[in-house]
Amino acid sequence: EIVMTQSPATLSVSPGERATLSCRASQSVSSNLAWYQQEPGQAPRLLIYDASTRATGIPARFSGSGSGTEFTLTISSLQSEDFAVYYCQQYNNWPRTFGQGTKVEIK
Amino acid sequence: EVQLVESGGGLVKPGGSLRLSCAASGFTLSSYSMNWVRQAPGKGLEWVSSISSSSIFIYYADSVKGRFTISRDNAKNSLYLQMNSLRAEDTAVYYCARSVAGPNPFDSWGQGTLVTVSS
Repeated sequence: EIVMTQSPATLSVSPGERATLSCRASQSVSSNLAWYQQEPGQAPRLLIYDASTRATGIPARFSGSGSGTEFTLTISSLQSEDFAVYYCQQYNNWPRTFGQGTKVEIK
Repeated sequence: EVQLVESGGGLVKPGGSLRLSCAASGFTLSSYSMNWVRQAPGKGLEWVSSISSSSIFIYYADSVKGRFTISRDNAKNSLYLQMNSLRAEDTAVYYCARSVAGPNPFDSWGQGTLVTVSS
């Protein structure tokens, strides 16, 4: 099983600042990596797939990078609606696995 | 508009059974793989099971293998999860999610249904 490790667990950021979230895979997942956003009480929403492609309707302030085992999600200028939990997921191998999540909170 | 609506959750005793359903609309179910993902209270996301468009390929997490069965009825636009021998650790919100066949992300999610296993 591929273990996905996200860091940090919690990120405190002021509105308008940049947030950088990391995700590491225990073995290569190529570019088969997605990022999801989950607001409290809501279902997850796909933000980024194939490591760097924004999903439909996702604002340009969200960007993803990386391949192999190291990945990054960057939110260039945090808006109030961006304070949420973010999960990475690999879909290169079975079982599909998620990271434990990074909570982005208001500083 | 793509819609996925889960139902069938509730309170069940340990060792009991429950069948979850996911009603799909706004797209052609038979063209997509489907998935179940769960989230225990206050915890992260855990993939549970996946089924290919024609039910040929089925996968389970080790934590549910032998107890849960995924199935689908494309004619009824529905996905199912039969859960047997339920345990307290199965308590979670269960989401159904859609994905394109092959190595692809989960691009649309339902709102989830809560399953509580407790005596």
